[in-house]
Amino acid sequence: DVKVTQSSRYLVKRTGEKVFLECVQDMDHENMFWYRQDPGLGLRLIYFSYDVKMKEKGDIPEGYSVSREKKERFSLILESASTNQTSMYLCASSLQEYGYTFGSGTRLTVV
Amino acid sequence: GDSVTQMEGPVTLSEEAFLTINCTYTATGYPSLFWYVQYPGEGLQLLLKATKADDKGSNKGFEATYRKETTSFHLEKGSVQVSDSAVYFCALSTRGNNRLAFGKGNQVVVIP
Repeated sequence: DVKVTQSSRYLVKRTGEKVFLECVQDMDHENMFWYRQDPGLGLRLIYFSYDVKMKEKGDIPEGYSVSREKKERFSLILESASTNQTSMYLCASSLQEYGYTFGSGTRLTVV
Repeated sequence: GDSVTQMEGPVTLSEEAFLTINCTYTATGYPSLFWYVQYPGEGLQLLLKATKADDKGSNKGFEATYRKETTSFHLEKGSVQVSDSAVYFCALSTRGNNRLAFGKGNQVVVIP
């Protein structure tokens, strides 16, 4: 069974901390994505990557960065966490345009 | 640009009722269309998809037909169960574009 694994289901961090959210897929997919999900706002794309060491800004990249050193791993970095980054973070991967496989999500709380 | 519009607001209905969630889209080219479901506390799962006009996607009793003439992909189920309570997202992708465009999602609550 194909999988996208996010390293943490729940995370609590302090304001100003540097936060790493990890995502690993075992499907040899080219494309990987990071979204945040907030009530009433749906899914918003933060960053995505089409290949190793490549990254593209999504719709709301401010305050975030990403790293893709290996094909299977795509990390989201909050450089200095703020309370408005409290959210559900979803990672996904895909092969061309055949739809996404999502991870279970990380619920991040910044206090 | 490509976009997906879902009907506003949550949907509350009784067990065994008929469910319809409307989805319309705007896209250049010929999109593939998807429905995703998100159960409480989980990520999104692919529910069904259709890749060309008049295709019908189906899974777990849910169906949706790709209607090019009305640019729609409405989700239907004939008899819902409490376990169908979830958020449902409509989405599209176009050939050569690896990004999915998502609708805002609809919360469905099924009451026993």
